Amino acid sequence: DTAVSQTPKYLVTQMGNDKSIKCEQNLGHDTMYWYKQDSKKFLKIMFSYNNKELIINETVPNRFSPKSPDKAHLNLHINSLELGDSAVYFCASSQDIGDYGYTFGSGTRLTVV
Amino acid sequence: SQQGEEDPQALSIQEGENATMNCSYKTSINNLQWYRQNSGRGLVHLILIRSNEREKHSGRLRVTLDTSKKSSSLLITASRAADTASYFCATDGHSSASKIIFGSGTRLSIRP
Repeated sequence: DTAVSQTPKYLVTQMGNDKSIKCEQNLGHDTMYWYKQDSKKFLKIMFSYNNKELIINETVPNRFSPKSPDKAHLNLHINSLELGDSAVYFCASSQDIGDYGYTFGSGTRLTVV
Repeated sequence: SQQGEEDPQALSIQEGENATMNCSYKTSINNLQWYRQNSGRGLVHLILIRSNEREKHSGRLRVTLDTSKKSSSLLITASRAADTASYFCATDGHSSASKIIFGSGTRLSIRP
């Protein structure tokens, strides 16, 4: 069983469209994250949720809206997609906030054309 | 901004040799973690070392932490072709344990 699963794996869409990426973890973890990895492989935190509550929002444009219906799911909705949104988006989870390693999903490669 | 900076950016060694990667960071931390990323895949957690620890081992991996110098090293002994990957260090902020910030990574290539 996949611990952290993201869908879709690849997403190609036109500028201006709205799209969603879904993430689910079956580890029983309390905390989930979205990271963005750009073409230079820099990983940047976007959002963090702990028990469905938003705890981190790192100056991400408000076109990005995370939603956590329960602590096993953290979805990412993006409105009005722009060329600069093209990147690989990784979902991750950890047991809790603090001294815990993260488990990452395999990533969603978003290409905006 | 990047908290950790890995050094070197790229490293190519012969199979069987040891690989050492370094990470420097700027602010106080509670813990430092190392991750591996194979091409086109997600990150895999390797080791977490707490700020009150100096050294940690896991199989062929050895991690050291020097909080006075704000640096850490990852040593992979007896390297194998399967170790080819990018390696990232990540630190939490001492005052913000709710996220980890990644360095820029070291690309390790193992030559057969």
